[in-house]
Amino acid sequence: RKEVEQDPGPFNVPEGATVAFNCTYSNSASQSFFWYRQDCRKEPKLLMSVYSSGNEDGRFTAQLNRASQYISLLIRDSKLSDSATYLCVVTDAGKSTFGDGTTLTVKP
Amino acid sequence: NAGVTQTPKFRVLKTGQSMTLLCAQDMNHEYMYWYRQDPGMGLRLIHYSVGEGTTAKGEVPDGYNVSRLKKQNFLLGLESAAPSQTSVYFCASNAGSLGNEQFFGPGTRLTVL
Repeated sequence: RKEVEQDPGPFNVPEGATVAFNCTYSNSASQSFFWYRQDCRKEPKLLMSVYSSGNEDGRFTAQLNRASQYISLLIRDSKLSDSATYLCVVTDAGKSTFGDGTTLTVKP
Repeated sequence: NAGVTQTPKFRVLKTGQSMTLLCAQDMNHEYMYWYRQDPGMGLRLIHYSVGEGTTAKGEVPDGYNVSRLKKQNFLLGLESAAPSQTSVYFCASNAGSLGNEQFFGPGTRLTVL
């Protein structure tokens, strides 16, 4: 079993749709959690950190459930520019483990 | 600030050749990382460093060596390249505290024939 598992996707949605990505992790000692965005053939860039209290940044909402070892990302009112691969990242003692990513394509 | 830079951007090697990938960061970060990313997969940690003069193995260290002689540089070496090492290599750095963002370089696309 992989340490970090994500929905395989791909997700193909129309503009304006709401889409949710899920991620589970196996290391209960994990300390920090993130969602990164990766555009085709580019380097990953931080989208947002994830906290147990939940956090929101505009159209994006991230949630962490430590008891279930589960992380989610919700994107509301999808834009064409949201098309990318979204990587779930879990960190323990400075080492990060990446999920394989979920690809989102937003269509007109 | 240039952030994280990687040299070279592209390289083609023949099986058995050696090469060194250079990563440099100008953010005074303590931690640096080398990852590889194969098609359709996430990043896998090769080696990392928590400070100048220190290195540690990650998830897939075999066939690679690293050195961190200066805080701003992290070198990844392939002593005898194999086709299985064809991949995109990303370097990253962060300040080392919990919850800190990793900043990535633009990647090196390596093909081993």
